[in-house]
Amino acid sequence: DGGITQSPKYLFRKEGQNVTLSCEQNLNHDAMYWYRQDPGQGLRLIYYSQIVNDFQKGDIAEGYSVSREKKESFPLTVTSAQKNPTAFYLCASSTPRQADNQPQHFGDGTRLSIL
Amino acid sequence: KNEVEQSPQNLTAQEGEFITINCSYSVGISALHWLQQHPGGGIVSLFMLSSGKKKHGRLIATINIQEKHSSLHITASHPRDSAVYICAVSPLGTSGSRLTFGEGTQLTVNP
Repeated sequence: DGGITQSPKYLFRKEGQNVTLSCEQNLNHDAMYWYRQDPGQGLRLIYYSQIVNDFQKGDIAEGYSVSREKKESFPLTVTSAQKNPTAFYLCASSTPRQADNQPQHFGDGTRLSIL
Repeated sequence: KNEVEQSPQNLTAQEGEFITINCSYSVGISALHWLQQHPGGGIVSLFMLSSGKKKHGRLIATINIQEKHSSLHITASHPRDSAVYICAVSPLGTSGSRLTFGEGTQLTVNP
């Protein structure tokens, strides 16, 4: 079955460490997205990529980095510069063309906590 | 003020009740999405609509573009409907799939 796989489901980080969250999709989607979810707030866009080897900052990109070397993969690195990284992180993908009117498909998320 | 506002924030119902969740937005949009977030955190897309009404099983979504308002209805609610329901919009002028999200409505259906 096609879908999005995020790993790990739970991740713990020590102060000053970088951690990388994995997101893989086999839906053949061009566009991929990373969102952050905090209690009582809507999802906020961190980074997005509409095509391989290209990505754009979202609304809260500071302290995060991404790469898009393969169509299937869009890993997110939470750097030590992110001062409040404890959150639930969701990856999504879609076809980028508006005429397609396709919804976004989401992974099951990764919950990151600071030790 | 958020561009997407949902009401209520929390909703508790008895099994069998008819449920309505509302979403208002303040920007021009190309589409509106209703999403369901399960207790484990995964999100499923329920509807995407740009006009009128869509129905899938016991779920009905409507949108009024002139009033910038959408509703999600659940008929004959069941405890398995308990989840967070999220409204999101595709603002005009952004890439086709970039979304702006509401804060979500926590629905609990008691047996």
